[in-house]
Amino acid sequence: EAGVAQSPRYKIIEKRQSVAFWCNPISGHATLYWYQQILGQGPKLLIQFQNNGVVDDSQLPKDRFSAERLKGVDSTLKIQPAKLEDSAVYLCASTEGTGKSGGANVLTFGAGSRLTVL
Amino acid sequence: QKEVEQDPGPLSVPEGAIVSLNCTYSNSAFQYFMWYRQYSRKGPELLMYTYSSGNKEDGRFTAQVDKSSKYISLFIRDSQPSDSATYLCAMSKGGSYIPTFGRGTSLIVHP
Repeated sequence: EAGVAQSPRYKIIEKRQSVAFWCNPISGHATLYWYQQILGQGPKLLIQFQNNGVVDDSQLPKDRFSAERLKGVDSTLKIQPAKLEDSAVYLCASTEGTGKSGGANVLTFGAGSRLTVL
Repeated sequence: QKEVEQDPGPLSVPEGAIVSLNCTYSNSAFQYFMWYRQYSRKGPELLMYTYSSGNKEDGRFTAQVDKSSKYISLFIRDSQPSDSATYLCAMSKGGSYIPTFGRGTSLIVHP
């Protein structure tokens, strides 16, 4: 089974520039997550999709971050304009289920996209 | 106070040692307790999870949950240099699906 694919793996930009990250989840996984992991910290949820709908985007800084999953498969996360504090690894994860029905929510993560904002 | 607290380390041990990694939490609603391992420049991968209190063993790894103390542990027996990684605890509430992660403990096992 192919894993969660993410690109690019590394990106360096100047502050106020824009950047986009792409994620292809495991085939058949209905739920997709974007996490932000700042160096030395645990992953922090940015947004959760179920198929092509947003389930939770309460922690997404909507003035600069946007995400979409138009066909319920691939997803993109965009940052515009970037700030220094956006330097982090952006992790995409997916799960098979739809959630909210109990049971452990086992996330499969991609390798992440490391962003450095100068 | 953060919902999940985890000492970032680093924790450095010799090969063959027994390693104890721990997390504390404040939300008594957490029901599922997970341990993820994250190698450098990789995404986290699930090691094991437990439901409610008790122990669970998988090879050299044992997870313990003490809900009365709001304290969870991961023990690694006969630690190997390949175990060197960051270990993240994560917890979720029954019926609420999104896990809350600790900040991770960096483990270094030296030969």
